[in-house]
Amino acid sequence: AQSVAQPEDQVNVAEGNPLTVKCTYSVSGNPYLFWYVQYPNRGLQFLLKYITGDNLVKGSYGFEAEFNKSQTSFHLKKPSALVSDSALYFCAVRDLMSFKTIFGAGTRLFVKA
Amino acid sequence: EAGVAQSPRYKIIEKRQSVAFWCNPISGHATLYWYQQILGQGPKLLIQFQNNGVVDDSQLPKDRFSAERLKGVDSTLKIQPAKLEDSAVYLCASSLDPALLAGNLEQYFGPGTRLTVT
Repeated sequence: AQSVAQPEDQVNVAEGNPLTVKCTYSVSGNPYLFWYVQYPNRGLQFLLKYITGDNLVKGSYGFEAEFNKSQTSFHLKKPSALVSDSALYFCAVRDLMSFKTIFGAGTRLFVKA
Repeated sequence: EAGVAQSPRYKIIEKRQSVAFWCNPISGHATLYWYQQILGQGPKLLIQFQNNGVVDDSQLPKDRFSAERLKGVDSTLKIQPAKLEDSAVYLCASSLDPALLAGNLEQYFGPGTRLTVT
């Protein structure tokens, strides 16, 4: 069965420092992977996706993610964090057989000024 | 481009009462999803429609939850009767059409309906 794990409940970084939010997955076949962000009192917003091709994908607001097939990981990264990046981040994987999308439990990112 | 609309934004009901949520997806989006998000957890898919047909409803508690998407556009999700554990945010999302292109798989979410069952 497909699954997504986000091992950190919270990530704390200082503004200007690089950030990484971790995600590992389990799915049969090739994965379609996504990152979404949820700001307070707002719905989830799509950040980026990996379908095929380059392992490093770039998305909105300067975020990028690296797909690593051997480690079954899809970590979200940003070279320089902003206070406004503070939010809840969800990793998701889509099973191509069932068309079902599974979301991780989420990681709260806190960027300190 | 208008986003996914949901109403109401907030709802408080007593257990055993019924409640309905409404969703209007982005125009032209064939796929519509209803998720339940319990505080501190990620969204859990309840039901997925492709146009007006059900693709997946394996996690929908069918003894109390029902959903429909008439004419392949708007959708309603109903709970009858509600239980305390149904307290959650109910999210509606839509995507263009995963059957056409892999590039159209990302989902666009509405603001959600926060349900409190007392």
